[in-house]
Amino acid sequence: AQSVTQLDSQVPVFEEAPVELRCNYSSSVSVYLFWYVQYPNQGLQLLLKYLSGSTLVKGINGFEAEFNKSQTSFHLRKPSVHISDTAEYFCAVSDSSNTGKLIFGQGTTLQVKP
Amino acid sequence: DAGVTQSPTHLIKTRGQHVTLRCSPISGHKSVSWYQQVLGQGPQFIFQYYEKEERGRGNFPDRFSARQFPNYSSELNVNALLLGDSALYLCASSLSEYNEQFFGPGTRLTVL
Repeated sequence: AQSVTQLDSQVPVFEEAPVELRCNYSSSVSVYLFWYVQYPNQGLQLLLKYLSGSTLVKGINGFEAEFNKSQTSFHLRKPSVHISDTAEYFCAVSDSSNTGKLIFGQGTTLQVKP
Repeated sequence: DAGVTQSPTHLIKTRGQHVTLRCSPISGHKSVSWYQQVLGQGPQFIFQYYEKEERGRGNFPDRFSARQFPNYSSELNVNALLLGDSALYLCASSLSEYNEQFFGPGTRLTVL
């Protein structure tokens, strides 16, 4: 069985400051890792994904994440946030043999203040 | 290109009723998955269909059922609705079982 833990339920940060949203996972099999963003009253938008290869993954809107297999982590970072980044962020994991079943964390609310 | 579409956008039902939610995947996508997102929580996996066959089922009661049609669109059915079924129901599609999923805007179900 797989599980995902997002270590912070809320992260307040000032505009133009750097931010890190933390995600740890557990799995007994090889996994793929994803970060999704959800704006109010909308569906989920894929920010970035790790399937294989380089452990540093770059996504949309200036976000990046690093896969650390030894620490079973996949933390999301952005060097300078904007007010428009205020949203709910979800880390998710799937078995590498089937991406159709995603296991999500509880979410982290990023609040960017002016 | 059109993304994943879901209908209806919003739905209000009363306890004990039945509901059908619909999803059209991105053109060319053959895998469809359904998720339930209760307010304040992450989405929970309900079903996956690939090439019209059920490929996975989450920890949901038998009141929940789904199917995938020859054009790869999908329906999620919930019988005997309970208050706890109130949630945002999300549909996601992917090219195959090895590609990332793309989500639709969801159907907001309220059970009174």
